[in-house]
Amino acid sequence: DAKTTQPPSMDCAEGRAANLPCNHSTISGNEYVYWYRQIHSQGPQYIIHGLKNNETNEMASLIITEDRKSSTLILPHATLRDTAVYYCIVIVAGGFKTIFGAGTRLFVKA
Amino acid sequence: GAVVSQHPSRVICKSGTSVKIECRSLDFQATTMFWYRQFPKQSLMLMATSNEGSKATYEQGVEKDKFLINHASLTLSTLTVTSAHPEDSSFYICSAQTGEETQYFGPGTRLLVL
Repeated sequence: DAKTTQPPSMDCAEGRAANLPCNHSTISGNEYVYWYRQIHSQGPQYIIHGLKNNETNEMASLIITEDRKSSTLILPHATLRDTAVYYCIVIVAGGFKTIFGAGTRLFVKA
Repeated sequence: GAVVSQHPSRVICKSGTSVKIECRSLDFQATTMFWYRQFPKQSLMLMATSNEGSKATYEQGVEKDKFLINHASLTLSTLTVTSAHPEDSSFYICSAQTGEETQYFGPGTRLLVL
């Protein structure tokens, strides 16, 4: 599976959009981009995933560049409860092994 | 949907004893379950992958005789830490997969070995 690179930490003001970048320049054509988050002392929570097209659900939007080498997770109106570590992961279609990197620690401030 | 539970949520045991942690998929059948370990301020580390009815596949460096995994049904996997020692103290997290790539994680079990 391709490796991902994320900034170690980011700050965001409450109520503003949080844009979390992820670089996956070695991604293959059959690899999905997945985002999970982990709030302190809890198990990771699935957020969203995509292959080529941008995706949106009730939690977030995922923007994947046309060359698929990077993506951005957008939390449209961040709240204090969105403070967590966000993991960007690349998983091959039909695959199962998930390797977590260090992720981005997002601090949402009042 | 896609809820995974773990029991217990936290456990304290004496050094040398064994501890069993259960992982259940509550509203779906999990073809594959995974066990992770997480030390403070670190990321999740995959320990093993288990498929129902077959032996677990352990990651390099994980002792299969120390961390016994049983996946007896499509909704239950157990991790037994045998002869636990203080260095085994950690946050243990399971996840379950339906057959697609998405994994759904349990809330985690915090183990403290005294």
